[in-house]
Amino acid sequence: GQQVMQIPQYQHVQEGEDFTTYCNSSTTLSNIQWYKQRPGGHPVFLIQLVKSGEVKKQKRLTFQFGEAKKNSSLHITATQTTDVGTYFCAGDGGSEKLVFGKGTKLTVNP
Amino acid sequence: DGGITQSPKYLFRKEGQNVTLSCEQNLNHDAMYWYRQDPGQGLRLIYYSQIVNDFQKGDIAEGYSVSREKKESFPLTVTSAQKNPTAFYLCASSIRDNTDTQYFGPGTRLTVL
Repeated sequence: GQQVMQIPQYQHVQEGEDFTTYCNSSTTLSNIQWYKQRPGGHPVFLIQLVKSGEVKKQKRLTFQFGEAKKNSSLHITATQTTDVGTYFCAGDGGSEKLVFGKGTKLTVNP
Repeated sequence: DGGITQSPKYLFRKEGQNVTLSCEQNLNHDAMYWYRQDPGQGLRLIYYSQIVNDFQKGDIAEGYSVSREKKESFPLTVTSAQKNPTAFYLCASSIRDNTDTQYFGPGTRLTVL
């Protein structure tokens, strides 16, 4: 079945450093979604990418969808302690189900 | 994330007992989902429903059952056949299908003693 791989599993940074998480799918995706889960909380939708090569920005967050629509990345510039949490990508691959990556857990040292 | 409620937040049960987790949404969404989250495992789909009176198995449906008698409600029963039921259970809904944004409830943490 479809697999969505996400790396790294954990990332620890100093406040002010940049952070990137990568997502790779075994199949071509029609769209990819990104979610953030704060410690003790539930996943919250961040963004959806649909077009090949699409780049979207939300303040310090930059989301990218690969040309082949099989990979994506989330980059955070100058991390802050409020960025702490686990970031998940999720893709559909044309099936009825949304498949989530295992997430990247980000910790930020102030 | 408002509009989806799960209760209770914490639930304790003895081994061998069935337990039902509730999920209610007032977003008028057609689709609803149940996920299980274990440390380091991400979100794994248990069951999903795209319309009332219809639901489909996800990747880890064994030991679970659901019903969708009303659009607003999608309860999940964890049966005694589920070998390792202790986990964090998340319910979600979306407008129509999996291409839409999913809105998650606050989750229920089930501990089986």
